[in-house]
Amino acid sequence: AQSVTQLGSHVSVSEGALVLLRCNYSSSVPPYLFWYVQYPNQGLQLLLKYTSAATLVKGINGFEAEFKKSETSFHLTKPSAHMSDAAEYFCAVTLLSGNTPLVFGKGTRLSVIA
Amino acid sequence: EADIYQTPRYLVIGTGKKITLECSQTMGHDKMYWYQQDPGMELHLIHYSYGVNSTEKGDLSSESTVSRIRTEHFPLTLESARPSHTSQYLCASSVLTSPYGEQFFGPGTRLTVL
Repeated sequence: AQSVTQLGSHVSVSEGALVLLRCNYSSSVPPYLFWYVQYPNQGLQLLLKYTSAATLVKGINGFEAEFKKSETSFHLTKPSAHMSDAAEYFCAVTLLSGNTPLVFGKGTRLSVIA
Repeated sequence: EADIYQTPRYLVIGTGKKITLECSQTMGHDKMYWYQQDPGMELHLIHYSYGVNSTEKGDLSSESTVSRIRTEHFPLTLESARPSHTSQYLCASSVLTSPYGEQFFGPGTRLTVL
């Protein structure tokens, strides 16, 4: 069965610093991978998705993620953090068929310090 | 505009009451899901549906029930609410034929049972 592990339940960065949120997946077949963001009192919003077309995926709000099969990782990065990036971030995986519900990680809360 | 709606956004009720959380989508999606999100952020899939008259239980055992009589509507019902049901409930939908399976989320219902 597929699963994702997000390292660090809480990450704190200074405004303007690099954002790195870690996600490792486990899947016996090639996966589709997603990053979602959740702002306070809102639902989840899709940031970006890996669908095997390109290993470096660019998303909204300046975020990107790189799929590394050898490391079974899909880490989320942003070169320069902004105060508005403070939110909860979830990594998710599904099988290549796309016919199974997404499996979510436990989430990482990002704090941005002025 | 195509979207996914949840009502009410906030609900405070007493123990023993019957409640229904509403979820509707105008995106034309066949698949719909209910997640329970605990205070530690983690998402737990409690119910899902792949179409009209199709419902399945998710990974987390739940005392709630769902129905899918219309494609666009997927209500969740608690026959007798208890304080342990206090949580955020998120509804999501996705396209049945999408090869990627990304899900789109509603804004959530925050339920408090006193």
